[in-house]
Amino acid sequence: GNSVTQMEGPVTLSEEAFLTINCTYTATGYPSLFWYVQYPGEGLQLLLKATKADDKGSNKGFEATYRKETTSFHLEKGSVQVSDSAVYFCALSSSGYSTLTFGKGTMLLVSP
Amino acid sequence: ETGVTQSPTHLIKTRGQQVTLRCSSQSGHNTVSWYQQALGQGPQFIFQYYREEENGRGNFPPRFSGLQFPNYSSELNVNALELDDSALYLCASSRQRGDQQETQYFGPGTRLLVL
Repeated sequence: GNSVTQMEGPVTLSEEAFLTINCTYTATGYPSLFWYVQYPGEGLQLLLKATKADDKGSNKGFEATYRKETTSFHLEKGSVQVSDSAVYFCALSSSGYSTLTFGKGTMLLVSP
Repeated sequence: ETGVTQSPTHLIKTRGQQVTLRCSSQSGHNTVSWYQQALGQGPQFIFQYYREEENGRGNFPPRFSGLQFPNYSSELNVNALELDDSALYLCASSRQRGDQQETQYFGPGTRLLVL
């Protein structure tokens, strides 16, 4: 079956530091890959997505590249801000379906 | 364009009771999915509704049931509540075109506490 593995948190960074959150997946076929963000006390917001190999999703300074050869979709940002503090979820959906399989989430804490 | 809304925002029930959670899908979306997010975990898929019929189900017992209405809004019903049902329940809507479903967008969730 499908599964998503994320690096455990919390990830603690100072403002303007470089961010990487690792995500690897197991899936049949050619899944679509997503990063969702959850701010404290809120639901999930779609951050970015990629639907095929070598696609790069990007939004608000965050980027992730769909790497089929390494089954990875690592999230990166060049310079984090305090307002980026949240829980980040990597997720996939199998080809043709939108049912999402999520990782356990990685908490990011950014200090001034 | 109106986003996904859920009600109520918070709910407290006791073990053995029944609960109904509601979701209004985003304008133009015809598919609704429900997820359960336990504390500190990622969301787990409960089921999905399309054209008022269940269109897929995760590993949840039959006491979790749902409905979708002609306006694409949806309800999640849980009978015989157990302590482990305490969680954030998330609704997501999406649009299905042919055999392809587009990106899901989530509501703010309903936080259920079972005592």
